[in-house]
Amino acid sequence: GQQLNQSPQSMFIQEGEDVSMNCTSSSIFNTWLWYKQDPGEGPVLLIALYKAGELTSNGRLTAQFGITRKDSFLNISASIPSDVGIYFCAGPFLSGSNYKLTFGKGTLLTVNP
Amino acid sequence: DAGVIQSPRHEVTEMGQEVTLRCKPISGHNSLFWYRQTMMRGLELLIYFNNNVPIDDSGMPEDRFSAKMPNASFSTLKIQPSEPRDSAVYFCASSLKAGSNTGELFFGEGSRLTVL
Repeated sequence: GQQLNQSPQSMFIQEGEDVSMNCTSSSIFNTWLWYKQDPGEGPVLLIALYKAGELTSNGRLTAQFGITRKDSFLNISASIPSDVGIYFCAGPFLSGSNYKLTFGKGTLLTVNP
Repeated sequence: DAGVIQSPRHEVTEMGQEVTLRCKPISGHNSLFWYRQTMMRGLELLIYFNNNVPIDDSGMPEDRFSAKMPNASFSTLKIQPSEPRDSAVYFCASSLKAGSNTGELFFGEGSRLTVL
């Protein structure tokens, strides 16, 4: 099946620092998505990217859809304690006549106040 | 607005027992997904439904797993008999468009299953 490789697996940073994480695939995706999972909760969509080269911001978050359509990165600026959680990249791939959303293994972010 | 509602939030059971997890998707959403999350394997898609019809169950690990969606507002995931390796967090998610490639899923809070 399709695989999304996320890095790093985990990050420990100080409050106020910027964070960068990325996701790569051997396959082309037409959509890249970034989800965040808070402890004890389900993932929540942060940013969706629909066009190669697209750069999208959502508050302190910025994500880019790689020009090759095989990668994406997510940046968080000026991190705060509530940024703690697991960040997943995800992409839908066509299986038969329908799309299935596949997730990377996630990046665990810890922010020290 | 109510999100995706799952029950139970936590279940502890003994090996061999039947487990039934329940999900109410967001009203008006046409697609429903069951995912399993473990430390080792991350988020895995088990099965998904479009307009109450199972489309792809290739992610269901074994015949011990079954899922139904009798109507647009309810789905169950059943494990019978349960085994310790089934211990995981099971998420239900729904999306607005059937077969959509937008990937905008709305997840429930999950059901944490522990099989002893």
